[in-house]
Amino acid sequence: GQNIDQPTEMTATEGAIVQINCTYQTSGFNGLFWYQQHAGEAPTFLSYNVLDGLEEKGRFSSFLSRSKGYSYLLLKELQMKDSASYLCAVRDGTSGTYKYIFGTGTRLKVLA
Amino acid sequence: GAVVSQHPSWVICKSGTSVKIECRSLDFQATTMFWYRQFPKQSLMLMATSNEGSKATYEQGVEKDKFLINHASLTLSTLTVTSAHPEDSSFYICSAGEGSSSGNTIYFGEGSWLTVV
Repeated sequence: GQNIDQPTEMTATEGAIVQINCTYQTSGFNGLFWYQQHAGEAPTFLSYNVLDGLEEKGRFSSFLSRSKGYSYLLLKELQMKDSASYLCAVRDGTSGTYKYIFGTGTRLKVLA
Repeated sequence: GAVVSQHPSWVICKSGTSVKIECRSLDFQATTMFWYRQFPKQSLMLMATSNEGSKATYEQGVEKDKFLINHASLTLSTLTVTSAHPEDSSFYICSAGEGSSSGNTIYFGEGSWLTVV
């Protein structure tokens, strides 16, 4: 089976840097994804890692360590609009076709 | 990114009736689509994987006779909630990817809020 863990809530200050961690256990790992979801809306894609290391996309970066089953999403120069839930998702290929399993999500609150 | 459209955005139905939600990939062909449901302040729970031209694969605990999934074409999958009950009220959201290549991500529809009264 799969198990994906994230902190439930985090709070940070506008302009700061925040790191959201995600640990996972899966038998058919084939990539880790981060999505942002504002309340009542659909998730939007942020980043994707399949190999170990850091992927940088503007203010957002994502890191993956497959041996440790660990990823983090780094948000720099926080803005108020970054207040949202951040979902870690693992793509699992054990069933022969890919499926995407989501973690519980981390609700980030950015304070002025 | 690719565009996935979901309809309706909001639906209210009476207990015991059925409601259909459509998911369309607008600018690409999706051999696989995924259906999720989400309760307030919770994460996305995968219900089933919809494969074009074949039966959907349901996750454990999801009743296939209650949540009927049809993926008749490469751009359309439908989820029908049959004999709806108030506890079926939730946010239902579909997603689709551009093929099965490992380099591709999935994109989400806008989601459908279902309220059963």
